[in-house]
Amino acid sequence: DAKTTQPPSMDCAEGRAANLPCNHSTISGNEYVYWYRQIHSQGPQYIIHGLKNNETNEMASLIITEDRKSSTLILPHATLRDTAVYYCIVTHTGGGNKLTFGTGTQLKVEL
Amino acid sequence: DTGVSQDPRHKITKRGQNVTFRCDPISEHNRLYWYRQTLGQGPEFLTYFQNEAQLEKSRLLSDRFSAERPKGSFSTLEIQRTEQGDSAMYLCASSLGQGARAGELFFGEGSRLTVL
Repeated sequence: DAKTTQPPSMDCAEGRAANLPCNHSTISGNEYVYWYRQIHSQGPQYIIHGLKNNETNEMASLIITEDRKSSTLILPHATLRDTAVYYCIVTHTGGGNKLTFGTGTQLKVEL
Repeated sequence: DTGVSQDPRHKITKRGQNVTFRCDPISEHNRLYWYRQTLGQGPEFLTYFQNEAQLEKSRLLSDRFSAERPKGSFSTLEIQRTEQGDSAMYLCASSLGQGARAGELFFGEGSRLTVL
């Protein structure tokens, strides 16, 4: 699976959009981009995933660049409950889908 | 609640003892995963099952670790002769394992192990 690079930490004001970047320059054509988050003392939670096109669901939007070498997770109106570690993971759908987590980005949402 | 459940949530044991963790996945999910997480790190893959078959084991899974999923439903992870380095959160996850959402894993709350 392709390696990802994320900033170790970010801050965001409550109510503002949180934009979390991820670099995956070695991604191959059959690999998806997945985002998970982990709130303190809980198990990771799936947020969204995409292959080529931008995706949106009730939790977030995922913007993937045209060359697929980077992506951005957008939380449109961050709340204090969005404070968590966010993981960007690249994986292909074969191989058991065993996700390889890095150290992620610690997002802190403040008043 | 129909999510992934793990038991026990916390386990404190002395070095050298054996411990066993149980995971009950979401009922219709045929894939089950075990991960380990230490402080400040992301979860690390240990092993996964497709129904009752254990299809892959990480090099992290030493001979002291064994996982089973006897009837393709719940799973157990046993650690024999525990060492202090085994102290971690052990996470279980399940998924449908197919289609466009194959990488959507549902995680339990984890079982925290402390080896004294």
